[in-house]
Amino acid sequence: GESVGLHLPTLSVQEGDNSIINCAYSNSASDYFIWYKQESGKGPQFIIDIRSNMDKRQGQRVTVLLNKTVKHLSLQIAATQPGDSAVYFCAGSNYKLTFGKGTLLTVNP
Amino acid sequence: NAGVTQTPKFRVLKTGQSMTLLCAQDMNHEYMYWYRQDPGMGLRLIHYSVGEGTTAKGEVPDGYNVSRLKKQNFLLGLESAAPSQTSVYFCASRESRTASGNTIYFGEGSWLTVV
Repeated sequence: GESVGLHLPTLSVQEGDNSIINCAYSNSASDYFIWYKQESGKGPQFIIDIRSNMDKRQGQRVTVLLNKTVKHLSLQIAATQPGDSAVYFCAGSNYKLTFGKGTLLTVNP
Repeated sequence: NAGVTQTPKFRVLKTGQSMTLLCAQDMNHEYMYWYRQDPGMGLRLIHYSVGEGTTAKGEVPDGYNVSRLKKQNFLLGLESAAPSQTSVYFCASRESRTASGNTIYFGEGSWLTVV
């Protein structure tokens, strides 16, 4: 079955630096992949998604890269801000939406 | 989280009691999902539905039942609550399998404690 996981459970960066959060997946059946941000006590908040037939997609301050050869995707956050501190999840989507365990991003001032 | 409403938001149950969580959406979505989230873990899929009258098991279905009698409602039932079911429960809905990520809507969560 499909599993979606994250390489590192925690990531600490300095304000203004770029952040890279990684995710590996084992099943290629996803139609697309989604990155979510979750703040304490709240539900997941959509950040960006990427179709499985794409390699790269850019949003506002965020970029998602998809490497289907090694079944890996990453979320890059430019000029990380304190408000970016949260847990970040990747999710694979077909008829189900399957989440990884998450990476806690801490932004130090 | 406009469009997906979960009730109740908070509940404390005694072991062995039963309860039902209600997820309601007003967007005419076909797909609905129930997840649980435990500390340090991601969202794990309990059950899901791809349309009115259909349900299917997710990753962690044991101890839960669901029903989708009306398209707009997806009910999650605990027949005999156990402390291991203490968790935060999230409901989600989307129009179709290929609906883009920013059209998947989550409820605000239901905090359930079983003592």
